[in-house]
Amino acid sequence: DTGVSQDPRHKITKRGQNVTFRCDPISEHNRLYWYRQTLGQGPEFLTYFQNEAQLEKSRLLSDRFSAERPKGSFSTLEIQRTEQGDSAMYLCASSLNGPRGQYFGPGTRLTVT
Amino acid sequence: KNEVEQSPQNLTAQEGEFITINCSYSVGISALHWLQQHPGGGIVSLFMLSSGKKKHGRLIATINIQEKHSSLHITASHPRDSAVYICAVYSGGGADGLTFGKGTHLIIQP
Repeated sequence: DTGVSQDPRHKITKRGQNVTFRCDPISEHNRLYWYRQTLGQGPEFLTYFQNEAQLEKSRLLSDRFSAERPKGSFSTLEIQRTEQGDSAMYLCASSLNGPRGQYFGPGTRLTVT
Repeated sequence: KNEVEQSPQNLTAQEGEFITINCSYSVGISALHWLQQHPGGGIVSLFMLSSGKKKHGRLIATINIQEKHSSLHITASHPRDSAVYICAVYSGGGADGLTFGKGTHLIIQP
């Protein structure tokens, strides 16, 4: 499968714990995007990388959130001290050379209890 | 106010019906996406438009840049078309991510 993959697909955690998600983009894609989708809403942009550089962060990305793409390939999104409001689907997408033509991964569904 | 508005929010139709989902946006854009989201979250890109009309199988997408409006049509709808259809726009400038509508939940009954 050469599409965008995300791991894990589901994560249940207790409030206050840290969680980390991984996204593996399509191999030749240099742009990688993270989005968050809460129940009944469309996705919301969180941040994006061009290669290893994080070029933009949404105001939604509080200081408890950090994203990395250390070698310009896979990316991780970490949430520290999780809160119930962090419960959502976290989507990753990748594209080649620009924001058009993004391919989405299956998402990681986070439930904070 | 969301910059991307979709209508209807929910649509139930009988198999075979012609389906139209509308998307209006308030900002200038350089591209508009129509996406399909299946239960469980997976998103598939259906179309990316910057002008005119595109057709793929039973799906047709149109965009009117002057009116800031796009439509997604499904001909001869089938129960497997049941999904959430999301409109997303890329407006360029400093914001490189997509801005999404809330989605239209479509159910096609046999």
